[in-house]
Amino acid sequence: KNEVEQSPQNLTAQEGEFITINCSYSVGISALHWLQQHPGGGIVSLFMLSSGKKKHGRLIATINIQEKHSSLHITASHPRDSAVYICAVRGDFGNEKLTFGTGTRLTIIP
Amino acid sequence: DTAVSQTPKYLVTQMGNDKSIKCEQNLGHDTMYWYKQDSKKFLKIMFSYNNKELIINETVPNRFSPKSPDKAHLNLHINSLELGDSAVYFCASSPRGGYYGYTFGSGTRLTVV
Repeated sequence: KNEVEQSPQNLTAQEGEFITINCSYSVGISALHWLQQHPGGGIVSLFMLSSGKKKHGRLIATINIQEKHSSLHITASHPRDSAVYICAVRGDFGNEKLTFGTGTRLTIIP
Repeated sequence: DTAVSQTPKYLVTQMGNDKSIKCEQNLGHDTMYWYKQDSKKFLKIMFSYNNKELIINETVPNRFSPKSPDKAHLNLHINSLELGDSAVYFCASSPRGGYYGYTFGSGTRLTVV
């Protein structure tokens, strides 16, 4: 079992819908990252979280440290949001490597 | 002005060859990384260097050797390439070991034939 699990693996939605992608992890972490990978391959860092909630434009990321769970929300989704969204956790002190989830492929249909 | 640049973007080579991928960052970051993304798009850490010193070395065949001539560069040399080495390799950098986030390069797609 992967230390970082994401759901769903694939998500197709209509333009304008509210999107939620979930990430659960089983290890101690110092931070959690949400990354975006577009077709064509480049990886962009969206959020880094260690507690609470962050918002950037139409994107919102939350984390519950006690439950070891994070969510990424997209409001008013748009076809340009179509990408793979990857959750990654940075380990505790002494184990600072990033461990990645398997990604969620999001497709927004116009 | 690209923050983390990798070259080449595409690399097609025959089994048994030796090849290198170069990575340079102009962000002044202390830490650099190599990640491998397999055909199922799963990312995994390979190596991490902090100020030219190797700090993470995952279970990677010793045909893979990172080299960091200075803290702005981390190159990846691969000897005796095998079919299973085909993947996308991403370089990344971060200030202070990832405490303040990561910046990724655009990736190098390696195809071994």
